[in-house]
Amino acid sequence: SAVISQKPSRDICQRGTSLTIQCQVDSQVTMMFWYRQQPGQSLTLIATANQGSEATYESGFVIDKFPISRPNLTFSTLTVSNMSPEDSSIYLCSVERQNTEAFFGQGTRLTVV
Amino acid sequence: GDSVTQMEGPVTLSEEACLTINCTYTATGYPSLFWYVQYPGEGLQLLLKATKADDKGSNKGFEATYRKETTSFHLEKGSVQVSDSAVYFCALKRSNDYKLSFGAGTTVTVRA
Repeated sequence: SAVISQKPSRDICQRGTSLTIQCQVDSQVTMMFWYRQQPGQSLTLIATANQGSEATYESGFVIDKFPISRPNLTFSTLTVSNMSPEDSSIYLCSVERQNTEAFFGQGTRLTVV
Repeated sequence: GDSVTQMEGPVTLSEEACLTINCTYTATGYPSLFWYVQYPGEGLQLLLKATKADDKGSNKGFEATYRKETTSFHLEKGSVQVSDSAVYFCALKRSNDYKLSFGAGTTVTVRA
């Protein structure tokens, strides 16, 4: 298993500002991912956080809006930039070791006002 | 592309009732199948999984069998408790890929 600590757990932000979410894992992992869960909906993969290189973004998500860092094998950040109310969601960090199931952080509940 | 179709909710039932949440999938090859649960205010937790046809995953009284002939992975529990109230997500992952494809989620409420 993997213990994932995600911070902050929730925040209320003003539109036009940016929020950086941190994800810390208790051991080295190969793969780290960021998901968005909009109210009442399923999870959508935003990007794969690659250690030492640029993240790989899914269709509909761009680096300018969701810059991601991954400086090492246990830590990643996701920034939600220039926020609007439509960005109000739960953002989830997920990790996976090779050939095992994915583990999720407890999520960051973001409300943009 | 890959997709997961999950029974829509919400589902409300009484304690000790039987629960079934239907899940069917479309994917090439032989994906692994998962059920994740999200309790109120929390992140997702893996409930059970199956990696090949006819495998049965089980945990906390829940079961699901990987049925390749019907491309299904229905979740069942014979006697639910109030503590089972949560959102349940069916998901798949192809063997040559790391991405999870999720169903829409089914909200289950168990009343005492």
